[in-house]
Amino acid sequence: KAGVTQTPRYLIKTRGQQVTLSCSPISGHRSVSWYQQTPGQGLQFLFEYFSETQRNKGNFPGRFSGRQFSNSRSEMNVSTLELGDSALYLCASSFNRGNTGELFFGEGSRLTVL
Amino acid sequence: SQKIEQNSEALNIQEGKTATLTCNYTNYSPAYLQWYRQDPGRGPVFLLLIRENEKEKRKERLKVTFDTTLKQSLFHITASQPADSATYLCAADQTGANNLFFGTGTRLTVIP
Repeated sequence: KAGVTQTPRYLIKTRGQQVTLSCSPISGHRSVSWYQQTPGQGLQFLFEYFSETQRNKGNFPGRFSGRQFSNSRSEMNVSTLELGDSALYLCASSFNRGNTGELFFGEGSRLTVL
Repeated sequence: SQKIEQNSEALNIQEGKTATLTCNYTNYSPAYLQWYRQDPGRGPVFLLLIRENEKEKRKERLKVTFDTTLKQSLFHITASQPADSATYLCAADQTGANNLFFGTGTRLTVIP
């Protein structure tokens, strides 16, 4: 069974640009969550999607948005990038709604904002 | 506010010894705690889940305890090996939010 796939793995952007990251969950998993990981803050919850609906949202500004498609694939978008958005963005999938069980993480997308 | 804390940022231990990592939570009572392992440049990998009504859980050389009185979980690796060197993350459910939130992790180094 293929794991969670995130693309791209690495990307460099400049301030003010926008970025879209993609996540393909494990087949059969309907919940996709996104986390931001930085050295100082650790893993911070961004949002969770289940059956194409955003169910939970973390404490991030509106520049951070996401969506989920009917095949459970998910994308997240960050607009008007700031230097502080440089981070590892991790996607995790699970079978059930929410994060009430084991999460399966992808390898992450490393974003550098210059 | 609800908080998860892993007090040690880094822990060095001699090969063969038992490594013990601590996770404390404050201002609430999680229904369960999870432990993950993360290697550099990789995503976290699930290790163990323990529920509030379970005192202890084991998996091979791993053992997790959950003490609701002390508001603490301990994660033990017995007979540690250099291959156990990684960052270990504690995570808990967040009341009313139906999502997990994570501690900042403890970087374990097992010295041969």
